[in-house]
Amino acid sequence: EDQVTQSPEALRLQEGESSSLNCSYTVSGLRGLFWYRQDPGKGPEFLFTLYSAGEEKEKERLKATLTKKESFLHITAPKPEDSATYLCAVQETNDYKLSFGAGTTVTVRA
Amino acid sequence: NAGVTQTPKFQVLKTGQSMTLQCAQDMNHNSMYWYRQDPGMGLRLIYYSASEGTTDKGEVPNGYNVSRLNKREFSLRLESAAPSQTSVYFCASSTASSGNTIYFGEGSWLTVV
Repeated sequence: EDQVTQSPEALRLQEGESSSLNCSYTVSGLRGLFWYRQDPGKGPEFLFTLYSAGEEKEKERLKATLTKKESFLHITAPKPEDSATYLCAVQETNDYKLSFGAGTTVTVRA
Repeated sequence: NAGVTQTPKFQVLKTGQSMTLQCAQDMNHNSMYWYRQDPGMGLRLIYYSASEGTTDKGEVPNGYNVSRLNKREFSLRLESAAPSQTSVYFCASSTASSGNTIYFGEGSWLTVV
């Protein structure tokens, strides 16, 4: 059974203070690892898909990386508008369903 | 550019009542999903439909039924609501041509009292 664990549960940052979120996973075969952003009262919004170890993707102040056992979401010089819950999910080989972690709630103070 | 649309957005039910959550997508996606989200537990899959005419159980299907009415619509029914079904429900869709990325609706907040 897939297992996805995100840490920390919550992260409070000062504006401009860079940090990283961790997503560790256990699957028999990885088809893709997905990152989503979720704002309060909204549905998850797709950010990135990573398919193989060593792959990196960037979007504005966010950069996602992937190893064989975990993924990191790096937030560089965050702004208050980066405050959200970030969700990690895995998709197993020969499947299309996603298994989600519990998320990391990021709060960026001005 | 609606994407995935869910109705209703908010609903309060009494224990034992039934209701149906409606979902429609306009992205011509083949697969559709129903997830529930509870504090500290992340998103859990209730039911999914790989394509029109098929449905399968996910991680937490007990107490729910689904109908894939056509390619666009996928409904979730609670036959006899229980307080444990108080949650936020998300409908989602995907297709292979979009890299199997799952796109979510805005959510339906359900309270069972």
